[in-house]
Amino acid sequence: GQNIDQPTEMTATEGAIVQINCTYQTSGFNGLFWYQQHAGEAPTFLSYNVLDGLEEKGRFSSFLSRSKGYSYLLLKELQMKDSASYLCAVRLINTGTASKLTFGTGTRLQVTL
Amino acid sequence: DGGITQSPKYLFRKEGQNVTLSCEQNLNHDAMYWYRQDPGQGLRLIYYSQIVNDFQKGDIAEGYSVSREKKESFPLTVTSAQKNPTAFYLCASSEDSSGYNEQYFGPGTRLTVT
Repeated sequence: GQNIDQPTEMTATEGAIVQINCTYQTSGFNGLFWYQQHAGEAPTFLSYNVLDGLEEKGRFSSFLSRSKGYSYLLLKELQMKDSASYLCAVRLINTGTASKLTFGTGTRLQVTL
Repeated sequence: DGGITQSPKYLFRKEGQNVTLSCEQNLNHDAMYWYRQDPGQGLRLIYYSQIVNDFQKGDIAEGYSVSREKKESFPLTVTSAQKNPTAFYLCASSEDSSGYNEQYFGPGTRLTVT
């Protein structure tokens, strides 16, 4: 079966750095996505990793270790607007051509003053 | 502006009634997806479609049905057989279903069944 684990909640201070971890046990792994979702809104794409290593995009970075089944999302210079849920999603290879995503439960980040 | 629209944003129905949620995209994407989101749970895949006139069951398809008669449209019907229909429903699309393609999400429909 597929299993994706993320912490349920995290709190961090404005201006600080926070790391949100995601571990997964899946078969047919073919990449990992991070999405941001503000309450009651649609998820928006943040990053995609398929090879080991760090991908940096402005204040956000994402890291992947395929051998360890582990990823993290790093948010720097936190702003109040970064208060949201962060969803880790694993892309699976199917027998057909479809590319399905399996989502973790999400990590709710609260940024405080 | 290209994007995905879902309507309505809030929907209320009585138990025992079927209800259809709309999803339209003008991104020219081949693949479309339906998810439901419940508090404390991740997004769960209901159905997905790789191409017009084709669709596949996701992880929780029981009590739902879909159609894909046009590339732009992928409506979801929540039938009376769905035991716990109250949820936040999200539609998504991606360029195609192979290779790296992020999924773009619509704004969602919050369905309440009483």
